[in-house]
Amino acid sequence: QQQVKQSPQSLIVQKGGISIINCAYENTAFDYFPWYQQFPGKGPALLIAIRPDVSEKKEGRFTISFNKSAKQFSLHIMDSQPGDSATYFCAARFRDDKIIFGKGTRLHILP
Amino acid sequence: AAGVIQSPRHLIKEKRETATLKCYPIPRHDTVYWYQQGPGQDPQFLISFYEKMQSDKGSIPDRFSAQQFSDYHSELNMSSLELGDSALYFCASSFSSGVETQYFGPGTRLLVL
Repeated sequence: QQQVKQSPQSLIVQKGGISIINCAYENTAFDYFPWYQQFPGKGPALLIAIRPDVSEKKEGRFTISFNKSAKQFSLHIMDSQPGDSATYFCAARFRDDKIIFGKGTRLHILP
Repeated sequence: AAGVIQSPRHLIKEKRETATLKCYPIPRHDTVYWYQQGPGQDPQFLISFYEKMQSDKGSIPDRFSAQQFSDYHSELNMSSLELGDSALYFCASSFSSGVETQYFGPGTRLLVL
């Protein structure tokens, strides 16, 4: 049973457009929701993260929207650039610090 | 800023051989996690250590073992390697008393022939 469901599996966006990746969870024991960006052959890099008591967090072109009642959260990448092409993982962390990853979204930004 | 260091970066082994992967956490981080990532898959949690004690265990095969040493570095020992063990192995570290989440190393790519 996938504890963190992520969609879409792959996404193609024009340069300058908005990339949106969605995630949903069931377990209310999660207390922290990070997003990771991973390039081929590299380790996941922490991109942005949010706590469930916050509805939105913005860092540069990256924004997390969080809906606690719906148990959903999403990543918005504004003004998407070819360098943003990577695999993005949403994740959820238990209070004991174990992280559960979504299945990932392969994002491709067209030049 | 210092990051998580993993060695070796690449490793090729034969079936039934053993392998040892090493992880050096970010300075001051006291918790280490190991993940396995198959091709096109999400990272799967294997095991974690806090202050040299195992703190959590995930889908780690019995053929694998790990430990954390007094300097907080960790080693993942893999025995009786199987073809299916070919994957990227990531180590992550965090500071237990902080709000920050885990930071990942560059990974070790293991290929079992």
